[in-house]
Amino acid sequence: SQKIEQNSEALNIQEGKTATLTCNYTNYSPAYLQWYRQDPGRGPVFLLLIRENEKEKRKERLKVTFDTTLKQSLFHITASQPADSATYLCALRENNNNDMRFGAGTRLTVKP
Amino acid sequence: DTGVSQDPRHKITKRGQNVTFRCDPISEHNRLYWYRQTLGQGPEFLTYFQNEAQLEKSRLLSDRFSAERPKGSFSTLEIQRTEQGDSAMYLCASSLESPAGAWETQYFGPGTRLLVL
Repeated sequence: SQKIEQNSEALNIQEGKTATLTCNYTNYSPAYLQWYRQDPGRGPVFLLLIRENEKEKRKERLKVTFDTTLKQSLFHITASQPADSATYLCALRENNNNDMRFGAGTRLTVKP
Repeated sequence: DTGVSQDPRHKITKRGQNVTFRCDPISEHNRLYWYRQTLGQGPEFLTYFQNEAQLEKSRLLSDRFSAERPKGSFSTLEIQRTEQGDSAMYLCASSLESPAGAWETQYFGPGTRLLVL
C-alpha cells in the first residue's frame, strides 16, 4: 500500500539548534515533493518544492534534500527560533496525477 | 487579492442537516482543490477543478458531497445529511497551472472547521 510517513509526531529542540524532519514514502514515484508549514487553526503554507531530479534546495534557513533511492526527503531548519514552532507537512505529487498526497506532519517545538 | 478565502470559518450543525462552504481562490488561479483534514492528520484530497470543470474526485467523496465551481471562480462544497464522521477542517487551495505542466504550488485558505453534533 502507499504510505507517506513523517518521522515523529513531535520534535522538541533548543533554540539555535538545527531541526531535521524526515519524510519517507512507499509505493510512490513522485514527480516532486513539497514541504508546508501549518499553524494551529490555519491552512498549510508552502515553503519549498524539490523535483525528482534535484538533490537539494535551499531557502534562507531552510534546506530540503530528496533521495529517490532511499525514498526519503529531509527538511532542515538551521539556527531554529521559537517562531519556527509549527507542524510541518510533506506532500508529494506523482506524474499524471492531479492530487497532492500529504503526510500526517511533524509538530516542531523550539524552546528558548 | 491577498489570498484564498473561505467562508464560514466555523460551522456547527446537527446530524442530518445540510451545510455549504464557499471558497474564493486567488483571482488568476485556474485550479481549485478541496481537502479534508482531521486532527493529527495531513490534508486528504477530495476533489479538483480546472476552471469550471471538475476533473477528479476522490473515493472519499461520497454521494452526500458535491462541489461546484460554476464560473471558474469561487467554489462551493455541500455536504448533505451530515454525519458525525464529517467533522473535520475543510481546506480549499488554488494554483496556477504551470505552462510546463510539471509542477505547481498550491495556496491554501484558512479552512472551515465543521463540527457535527
